[in-house]
Amino acid sequence: EAGVVQSPRYKIIEKKQPVAFWCNPISGHNTLYWYLQNLGQGPELLIRYENEEAVDDSQLPKDRFSAERLKGVDSTLKIQPAELGDSAVYLCASSSGGTPQETQYFGPGTRLLVL
Amino acid sequence: AQSVTQPDIHITVSEGASLELRCNYSYGATPYLFWYVQSPGQGLQLLLKYFSGDTLVQGIKGFEAEFKRSQSSFNLRKPSVHWSDAAEYFCAVGSMNSGYSTLTFGKGTMLLVSP
Repeated sequence: EAGVVQSPRYKIIEKKQPVAFWCNPISGHNTLYWYLQNLGQGPELLIRYENEEAVDDSQLPKDRFSAERLKGVDSTLKIQPAELGDSAVYLCASSSGGTPQETQYFGPGTRLLVL
Repeated sequence: AQSVTQPDIHITVSEGASLELRCNYSYGATPYLFWYVQSPGQGLQLLLKYFSGDTLVQGIKGFEAEFKRSQSSFNLRKPSVHWSDAAEYFCAVGSMNSGYSTLTFGKGTMLLVSP
């Protein structure tokens, strides 16, 4: 079974430029998460989808961040414009259900460096 | 609100020695507890999880963890560490907030294995 796929793995951009990350969850997983992981920290939830609906985006900085999951499968997270402080690892995860007991499976992440 | 504390930022263990990584949580109800491992440049991999029942849970790669409600702890153990265990370890608590499940991570403990 293929795991969670993310691309690109690494991205270097200049500040004020836009950037987008892509995630393809495990087949059949209805719940998809985007996490932000700063250096030396644990992941922090940005947004969670149940199928194509964003059910928890309270931690997403909506002035510059946006996300979509149009067909309820793969998802894109966008930053526009990027700031120096956005340098971090962006992790995507998926699970088969939305209960706390469900295991979340993580992708390898996209490491973003903003210069 | 729930929280997770991993008091050790990094730990060095000799290969073949035993390991214990500490995790304390704060959550009002019965917690759902997880340990994940993150190797350099990789996503998080689930080691084990606790929901209910036997307080000693077995995981992959020879790891185990013990849930102690009286101490609000969920420490991770391994009897004999291998060099390949060098990685960052994250404890997490799963909970329900406003009808949606949330996974809250600690800041992680970096495990270094010396020859």
